[in-house]
Amino acid sequence: AQSVTQLDSQVPVFEEAPVELRCNYSSSVSVYLFWYVQYPNQGLQLLLKYLSGSTLVKGINGFEAEFNKSQTSFHLRKPSVHISDTAEYFCAVSGSQGGSEKLVFGKGTKLTVNP
Amino acid sequence: KAGVTQTPRYLIKTRGQQVTLSCSPISGHRSVSWYQQTPGQGLQFLFEYFSETQRNKGNFPGRFSGRQFSNSRSEMNVSTLELGDSALYLCASSLTPGHEETQYFGPGTRLLVL
Repeated sequence: AQSVTQLDSQVPVFEEAPVELRCNYSSSVSVYLFWYVQYPNQGLQLLLKYLSGSTLVKGINGFEAEFNKSQTSFHLRKPSVHISDTAEYFCAVSGSQGGSEKLVFGKGTKLTVNP
Repeated sequence: KAGVTQTPRYLIKTRGQQVTLSCSPISGHRSVSWYQQTPGQGLQFLFEYFSETQRNKGNFPGRFSGRQFSNSRSEMNVSTLELGDSALYLCASSLTPGHEETQYFGPGTRLLVL
């Protein structure tokens, strides 16, 4: 079974500061990894995904994430955040072998960017 | 291309009633998955449909059911509503099963059970 742990439930930062949102996963099979963002009263928007290849993945809005297989991590980073980045961020995993179509999500990290 | 649409966006029901939620996938997407999001349990997989067949089901009671039509639109139904069913219900569509990398989410239906 797959599982995802987002180590921080809340992360407050100041505008223009760098941020890292941590995500660790466990799985007995090869995985696909995703980060989604959810703004208040909205659905999920895909930020970026790791399927294979380069371990550094660049996404929308200046975010990037690095897949580390040995540490089973997929941390999300942004070098300089804006007020508009205030939202909840979800890390998710799915099996890459096919047969399981569901995403398993972490509990989410609420990022608050303060002026 | 239009995104995933869900109707209604907001719904208020009372305990014991039933409710039906609708999801229209992105054009060309034939797989539809449903998720429940609550503050306590987070995002949990409900079920997934492809070619009008349920392919996968999460750990939810039988009160939760769904179906998919020939045009890939999907509905989910919750019978005998309980207070704990209050949640945001998210629908996601993808090209075919096993392709979460093409999966996109709708805005959700927020259900409040009183």
